[in-house]
Amino acid sequence: GNSVTQMEGPVTLSEEAFLTINCTYTATGYPSLFWYVQYPGEGLQLLLKATKADDKGSNKGFEATYRKETTSFHLEKGSVQVSDSAVYFCALRGNYGQNFVFGPGTRLSVLP
Amino acid sequence: NAGVTQTPKFQVLKTGQSMTLQCAQDMNHEYMSWYRQDPGMGLRLIHYSVGAGITDQGEVPNGYNVSRSTTEDFPLRLLSAAPSQTSVYFCASSRPWDGTHGYTFGSGTRLTVV
Repeated sequence: GNSVTQMEGPVTLSEEAFLTINCTYTATGYPSLFWYVQYPGEGLQLLLKATKADDKGSNKGFEATYRKETTSFHLEKGSVQVSDSAVYFCALRGNYGQNFVFGPGTRLSVLP
Repeated sequence: NAGVTQTPKFQVLKTGQSMTLQCAQDMNHEYMSWYRQDPGMGLRLIHYSVGAGITDQGEVPNGYNVSRSTTEDFPLRLLSAAPSQTSVYFCASSRPWDGTHGYTFGSGTRLTVV
């Protein structure tokens, strides 16, 4: 079946540091890949997505590239801010709209 | 644009009590689902529905019932609450049969069973 693996953290960075959160997946067919963010006390919000190989999703300074050859979708940001402190979830959805599969989440703390 | 609305936001139940968590969406999404989120466990699918009158079980369905009489509403019922059901519950909706479409999540219901 489909599955998602991501680094569990927690990840602690200083403000303006470079962020990478690794995500790899196992899936049949051609899934779409997503990153969701959950701020404290809130629900999950879609951060970015990519729907086919070599697509790059981007939003709010975050980027992730759909790499089919390495089955990866790593999240990156060049300069994190304190306001980026949250839990980040990598997820995939099968190409026929099956249920989402989520990774375990990575908690990011950014210190001033 | 209300999106996905969950009520209540917080609830405390005694063991053995029953209750219904409400979820409503105004985006005409046919697909709706319920997840629970527990520390160290990520998000686990409880039940889902691909349209009015159609429901199916997810990964952790025991102790929960759902029904889908309208496109807009997808309530989750706890029949006899147990401390193991202490969790944060999220409802999500989406277009079905479109793998490129993401979920829209509600803001969650934090449930404590004592």
